[in-house]
Parts: sequence; structure tokens; C-alpha cells
Amino acid sequence: EVQLVESGGGLVQPGGSLRLSCAASGFTFSSYWMHWVRQAPGKGLVWVSRINSDGSSTSYADSVKGRFTISRDNAKNTLYLQMNSLRAEDTAVYYCARVLVDSYGRIQYYYMDVWGKGTTVTVSS
Amino acid sequence: QSALTQPASVSGSPGQSITISCTGTSSDVGGYNYVSWYQQHPGKAPKLMIYDVSNRPSGVSNRFSGSKSGNTASLTISGLQAEDEADYYCSSYTSSSFVVFGGGTKLTVL
Repeated sequence: EVQLVESGGGLVQPGGSLRLSCAASGFTFSSYWMHWVRQAPGKGLVWVSRINSDGSSTSYADSVKGRFTISRDNAKNTLYLQMNSLRAEDTAVYYCARVLVDSYGRIQYYYMDVWGKGTTVTVSS
Repeated sequence: QSALTQPASVSGSPGQSITISCTGTSSDVGGYNYVSWYQQHPGKAPKLMIYDVSNRPSGVSNRFSGSKSGNTASLTISGLQAEDEADYYCSSYTSSSFVVFGGGTKLTVL
């Protein structure tokens, strides 16, 4: 079964750091680009970051650029999000998601077809 | 990067059709055919319903269809069913960052 399981969320004070993990199983993790998407309580989805299959290329939303770092360990089938200088507005459920590979085998970089259940990050004093 | 603009809510009766709009700019929706739609039920992870403006992933009902005109994309759900009640989000590739989502639309099946 294809599965993504996030962990590492919790309560952290403003200015603090947290590292999220996303364990992948049931597919060849090293072949897929991956994304992080977050959702503040009662709010909509917000794209956070993406990484290519070998970890050599990354992109970030302006709101987290310079504070968050996405990375991956293909040997451990795990995606990470290192979050530093956390702010109250970073409070959200954080989802990791796998990019879609369509029926023709084409990688669809901008679409996410497998999602984890999310991990909750709360930034508060 | 500003979120794409969606109506906050839409509603329809079982069997009817509804359309949800998603308005962006020439830097995202209008400039590329990389528009997608996600369905999210309360407390659940999002589910990809439409990609590349109008393509359905395997397993998604053909009651869901997508289109685009200029800077506005649309999701149409025909033959509305109770289980379609959910939040719907559009997203697009954007030249300014990578991906941007809409603010979400709550669909109520009356």
C-alpha cells in the first residue's frame, strides 16, 4: 500500500525550531518529487515547498523562504522539513504529498496524488 | 504570492450540476495549463480530482470536469451526490513561486 506518514509536529515557542519527517512506503520514493503543504486551523491549503527526486533542486513559498529547509534521505525513504524561526502564523497541519505520475508514466510536477494524514504544528508561548 | 480567488461557498440539490470558479492572473491560471482541483472532506487529507485543467486521475468519477477560459478555471460537478459535500481547492503553477492554491470553496448539498 502506498503510504505517507508525517511526524515531528508539536508545540513550540515563537522563534523556536522543529523538524518534520515524512516516511514513505509502498512506492519507489527516490523516483518522486515531493511537496509540503500546510493548512492553518479553519483555513485553506497553502503550498510550502517542493523537492526534486534526488534532492538537488528545491522551491519555497515566500512566506517560509530563508526559514524552512526541505530535504530528503532516499536511503531512508524519508522527506524532511526543517522549520526555524517559527512564528504564530506557521501554526498549521503540515501535509507531505507525492507528485502524480500519470497513466503515461509522465511526472506531473505540480499535482499531488498521495497525501499523508498530516502532523500538527502549534507555535505559541 | 496571493491565493487564487474562489467563492467561499456554493450549494446545490442532489442530481443538479454546480460550477466552482477559480480566478488568477496571467502569471498562474491564465499563463499555463497547469490547473488542478482537490476535494477535502472534514478532517481528511485532500484528494486530487482534476489536473492539467481537465484531466481526471484514475478512479475519479466522470461527474467531475474542469475547464479554463483566460484567467479563470472552473470545476463542474454534475449529478450532485451527498458525498460530494466537501471543500474544494483549485491550484495552479505560478511563475513567482511554484504552486499556489485557491482559498477554497465549501460545497453544500442541500
